[in-house]
Amino acid sequence: GDSVTQMEGPVTLSEEAFLTINCTYTATGYPSLFWYVQYPGEGLQLLLKATKADDKGSNKGFEATYRKETTSFHLEKGSVQVSDSAVYFCALHLGGGSEKLVFGKGTKLTVNP
Amino acid sequence: NAGVTQTPKFRILKIGQSMTLQCTQDMNHNYMYWYRQDPGMGLKLIYYSVGAGITDKGEVPNGYNVSRSTTEDFPLRLELAAPSQTSVYFCASSGLADSSTDTQYFGPGTRLTVL
Repeated sequence: GDSVTQMEGPVTLSEEAFLTINCTYTATGYPSLFWYVQYPGEGLQLLLKATKADDKGSNKGFEATYRKETTSFHLEKGSVQVSDSAVYFCALHLGGGSEKLVFGKGTKLTVNP
Repeated sequence: NAGVTQTPKFRILKIGQSMTLQCTQDMNHNYMYWYRQDPGMGLKLIYYSVGAGITDKGEVPNGYNVSRSTTEDFPLRLELAAPSQTSVYFCASSGLADSSTDTQYFGPGTRLTVL
């Protein structure tokens, strides 16, 4: 079935370090791909998305490129800040009547000053 | 716009009790969703609705019921609470006709404990 696999956390970095959170997916069709972020005590909010192969989503210094050949959508940021501490979820959506976002388990990021 | 609002924020139930989790959105979105989030896990879809009067089961619907009488409201009903329903519940909505590319907007969540 359709699934999303994220790198296991937690991830702890120092401020200004480079961040990569790996995400790979399995899907029968051509999904849209998303990164959602959950700050402590809050609901999820969209960080970025890509709807077709080779698209790059970007927001707040974060980037992810939809790689169909490797079925991946890795999240990167060149220089993290303390305020980036949160849980990050990779997700896919097939559409076409399948009204379902499939989430990865989430990766907790802690950034220390 | 308030976005997606949920009430209550916290609730403790005894086994066998019932309750309704409220969800309201003011963005005139057609699609609404209920998810549960268990510790260390991603979100799992309980029920969803593509418009007023239309609901359908998601991945984990057992023990829950929903209704959608208006565009704005999508309440989730637990009839006989069980400890396995201890979780954080999120309501979400999205608006485009092609929901696969649209952003889902999430409420702040309801933390439910069943003892």
